[in-house]
Amino acid sequence: DQQVKQNSPSLSVQEGRISILNCDYTNSMFDYFLWYKKYPAEGPTFLISISSIKDKNEDGRFTVFLNKSAKHLSLHIVPSQPGDSAVYFCAASAGTYKYIFGTGTRLKVLA
Amino acid sequence: DAGITQSPRHKVTETGTPVTLRCHQTENHRYMYWYRQDPGHGLRLIHYSYGVKDTDKGEVSDGYSVSRSKTEDFLLTLESATSSQTSVYFCAISGGRQNTEAFFGQGTRLTVV
Repeated sequence: DQQVKQNSPSLSVQEGRISILNCDYTNSMFDYFLWYKKYPAEGPTFLISISSIKDKNEDGRFTVFLNKSAKHLSLHIVPSQPGDSAVYFCAASAGTYKYIFGTGTRLKVLA
Repeated sequence: DAGITQSPRHKVTETGTPVTLRCHQTENHRYMYWYRQDPGHGLRLIHYSYGVKDTDKGEVSDGYSVSRSKTEDFLLTLESATSSQTSVYFCAISGGRQNTEAFFGQGTRLTVV
């Protein structure tokens, strides 16, 4: 039972345009959501997070939106850069300090 | 970068042999985790620890055991490795405060032949 789902395995975007990565979850107890970026042969690195009491969090080019009623979150990257090409994982936790991850979306930013 | 060291970084082992992966942290974080990454499955939690000698199962714990005798070390053991355990294994740590992120190690690529 996949509690955190990323339905798009891959996404290609032109440099300078917006990248939108989506994530859906099923567990209504999740109260903290995170996005990680992963380059090949490296560990995932934390990118941005959002608490369930908020609907938006912004950090530079990265913005995460949370729609609790739809159990959906998205990561916006504006403008996209070639260095953003990586696999992006969304994750969620329910106050138990267990982080449940999605299957990942491979983003390719075309120069 | 968070002080997390995984060893070994690469290992090839034969089916049926025991294998132990080590995660060492220098951050004095309370929580430690073992994940595996597989194509099409993303990152799946195997086991985690919330303190010395305190561990619990994750999503895919069958065939794995863990131990944590010191705050800084978290060991993952495959008692009898199988080909289905060929994967990349990641250790992660977190401070355990509410709404905080986890930090990952560089990973261990394990191949069971």
